[in-house]
Amino acid sequence: EPEVTQTPSHQVTQMGQEVILRCVPISNHLYFYWYRQILGQKVEFLVSFYNNEISEKSEIFDDQFSVERPDGSNFTLKIRSTKLEDSAMYFCASKPSGTGDNSPLHFGNGTRLTVT
Amino acid sequence: GQNIDQPTEMTATEGAIVQINCTYQTSGFNGLFWYQQHAGEAPTFLSYNVLDGLEEKGRFSSFLSRSKGYSYLLLKELQMKDSASYLCAVREDTGFQKLVFGTGTRLLVSP
Repeated sequence: EPEVTQTPSHQVTQMGQEVILRCVPISNHLYFYWYRQILGQKVEFLVSFYNNEISEKSEIFDDQFSVERPDGSNFTLKIRSTKLEDSAMYFCASKPSGTGDNSPLHFGNGTRLTVT
Repeated sequence: GQNIDQPTEMTATEGAIVQINCTYQTSGFNGLFWYQQHAGEAPTFLSYNVLDGLEEKGRFSSFLSRSKGYSYLLLKELQMKDSASYLCAVREDTGFQKLVFGTGTRLLVSP
């Protein structure tokens, strides 16, 4: 069964450094998302992406965050200058289009980001 | 505003039945999803309700009452592998199909 893949599985970085988290969504999916989950807390929406542009973003997704779909397969999340509070599990998700409203989001296994 | 409430933790015994409740107050509603999440892993889809009533899928059933802003997930014949967090998520009718998650219910199944 096709799946969403994310790399790396774990990223350690120093405060102030830039990180890029990578995702390969399921190939025929058209809606893409980034969520994050701080340890012990709920899954929080960051941004949705459709038709090569951001369709919606949350208050968390401030100017230090950006997303890109550089080619037909990859979907990246860049954090420009990491802060300690950015430490979390970051999940990429994708969703097909045209398959009805009951189509769920498919999540990748996540990237655990640790900012020291 | 958005408010999705679930109990923080529940415990149950192998072979038993457990019901996990979810109440929601959101700015819009276009469906409610239940996900299972094992520690350190991705959420995986369990069930979806958009109309009132019960949806059954094997050992798992989910119920929705839109007028009450209420859903539950029913797990039957519990197995040890069902120990996980169960996430209630609402899809609002605004935006591009994003989900808003509750805090999740950690279920511990004991022998």
